[in-house]
Amino acid sequence: GQQLNQSPQSMFIQEGEDVSMNCTSSSIFNTWLWYKQDPGEGPVLLIALYKAGELTSNGRLTAQFGITRKDSFLNISASIPSDVGIYFCAGQLGSNTGKLIFGQGTTLQVKP
Amino acid sequence: DAGVTQSPTHLIKTRGQQVTLRCSPKSGHDTVSWYQQALGQGPQFIFQYYEEEERQRGNFPDRFSGHQFPNYSSELNVNALLLGDSALYLCASRLGGAKNIQYFGAGTRLSVL
Repeated sequence: GQQLNQSPQSMFIQEGEDVSMNCTSSSIFNTWLWYKQDPGEGPVLLIALYKAGELTSNGRLTAQFGITRKDSFLNISASIPSDVGIYFCAGQLGSNTGKLIFGQGTTLQVKP
Repeated sequence: DAGVTQSPTHLIKTRGQQVTLRCSPKSGHDTVSWYQQALGQGPQFIFQYYEEEERQRGNFPDRFSGHQFPNYSSELNVNALLLGDSALYLCASRLGGAKNIQYFGAGTRLSVL
């Protein structure tokens, strides 16, 4: 099935470090979303981006909607142990559709 | 306010069998989508239901079918199960309309032996 290209695949960092991950696509999306998934749980929305060039923050998280509408990045500043999990980017073609195209995920591990 | 609830949480079936998974949307939500998440992969869109009709469909065979009830709850049916159908099946709900985000349930883990 169709998927976005998300990188890196995994990261192992020290507590307090900053983290950056990104997502690219050959297709244009109207909405970019970033989710976090913990073991045994469904994805939880972190940040939603609706406009090309938009930069949005949610606490220590910052995400941007690329100008070309084909990419997005997520930064996490001053990582803490509870940031551990799998982060997914997702693209949405229309603003009123249920179909999300997900990346393969970035597994983040934080060493205390 | 209950979020999206799915049942059962785990299920084991054998090849060729049929399975039904259930989803209750978040209160106030009228649109339900289903996703399949294979181990180590991102979720893949199966289909979306709104007003008791399938509105969008992903690249899944006809063995995958669904239903939405008047109370907005939904079922996912898979016939003639294959080993490759083993996955986490996620239900997501939202209120129909622009910029309304989807909330995911914890999923049903299906194992096909």
